[in-house]
Amino acid sequence: NAGVTQTPKFQVLKTGQSMTLQCAQDMNHNSMYWYRQDPGMGLRLIYYSASEGTTDKGEVPNGYNVSRLNKREFSLRLESAAPSQTSVYFCASSEGRGPYEQYFGPGTRLTVT
Amino acid sequence: AQSVTQLDSQVPVFEEAPVELRCNYSSSVSVYLFWYVQYPNQGLQLLLKYLSGSTLVKGINGFEAEFNKSQTSFHLRKPSVHISDTAEYFCAVSEMNRDDKIIFGKGTRLHILP
Repeated sequence: NAGVTQTPKFQVLKTGQSMTLQCAQDMNHNSMYWYRQDPGMGLRLIYYSASEGTTDKGEVPNGYNVSRLNKREFSLRLESAAPSQTSVYFCASSEGRGPYEQYFGPGTRLTVT
Repeated sequence: AQSVTQLDSQVPVFEEAPVELRCNYSSSVSVYLFWYVQYPNQGLQLLLKYLSGSTLVKGINGFEAEFNKSQTSFHLRKPSVHISDTAEYFCAVSEMNRDDKIIFGKGTRLHILP
């Protein structure tokens, strides 16, 4: 099993450009998450999806959109990138709510100039 | 809403010495508690979790944590650290019977000194 995979691993964008970060899991998990990690800030939840067809905002959703394409895939889109979105982005998945372990992908390092 | 405080942003410790990484949480309801580890240039992986029952929880790589409800703490310990324990450690909390969002602390970077 590959677990959680993310593409791309690295990306450089100019301000105003758009891009989509891809995430897929092969563990048949119901819940999927997008986080951003910034130095000294820990992980902050951007969006999550409790099940296929549903998405909800997390702590820092502004400037992002998501799509839960099917049970396996959960993408994150930046419509008009800003330097403040320079960060490392992690996708994660879990069986469901509350007590379940989250499995993380390797991350995407995004720089917006 | 729940919150998590990791009191130390960095902890230096000599190899083979014991270490404790501190975590305090705040919540109005019962919680699930987690410790995750992030090795350099990798994603996070679970070290251990407390759901219920025994307050002393054992995890991978010789780590353990103790849940203290009265002090709202969940400190992580290891009796003897190795150079391979160099990583960032995150405490996290999820409230029981609420939505499935987990709140992560800001992390503690463990530096192992030779």
